[in-house]
Amino acid sequence: KQEVTQIPAALSVPEGENLVLNCSFTDSAIYNLQWFRQDPGKGLTSLLLIQSSQREQTSGRLNASLDKSSGRSTLYIAASQPGDSATYLCAVRLGGGGNKLTFGTGTQLKVEL
Amino acid sequence: GAGVSQTPSNKVTEKGKYVELRCDPISGHTALYWYRQSLGQGPEFLIYFQGTGAADDSGLPNDRFFAVRPEGSVSTLKIQRTERGDSAVYLCASSSETDTQYFGPGTRLTVL
Repeated sequence: KQEVTQIPAALSVPEGENLVLNCSFTDSAIYNLQWFRQDPGKGLTSLLLIQSSQREQTSGRLNASLDKSSGRSTLYIAASQPGDSATYLCAVRLGGGGNKLTFGTGTQLKVEL
Repeated sequence: GAGVSQTPSNKVTEKGKYVELRCDPISGHTALYWYRQSLGQGPEFLIYFQGTGAADDSGLPNDRFFAVRPEGSVSTLKIQRTERGDSAVYLCASSSETDTQYFGPGTRLTVL
């Protein structure tokens, strides 16, 4: 059974700092990995999707990397802003035709002024 | 264009009652997913539809839970004889061939 772990569970940083969020998964036979952002009381917003054949994806100040063989992904946020405060979730989709996502428990990020 | 919408946004019910939660996917998306998120946890998969049929219902916790998508668009998640442990946020998502799943705002279900 695929298990997804995210560390740290919570993180507080001053504005402007670069930071890294970690995600690990136990079954490396994934189809893709997706990073989401969730604001309190809201649904999930997709940030980046990395296919299993890719090593990284970038969008603005966000960069996500994938090392499938070691079962790890990182989300790098450059020059953090208070508006980045949210919970960040990673989710993996297994290969073999299944479409469901298996989520981690998330990292709650707070960027302080 | 409009995103995924879910109604109601909040639902409070009593133990033992029946509830229906509705999801309107993005127009043209053939795949629709239901997830359940408990406080402090990541979403957990319940069921996935491709068109009108349930392609994977392995996440439904028991036979009190049932979902339909009769015309391949709107879906309804139905919960019979609700229990306090069913309290959670129920999330719906839809996708096309690009694989990215787009989520709705969720329905917060509280069973008293």
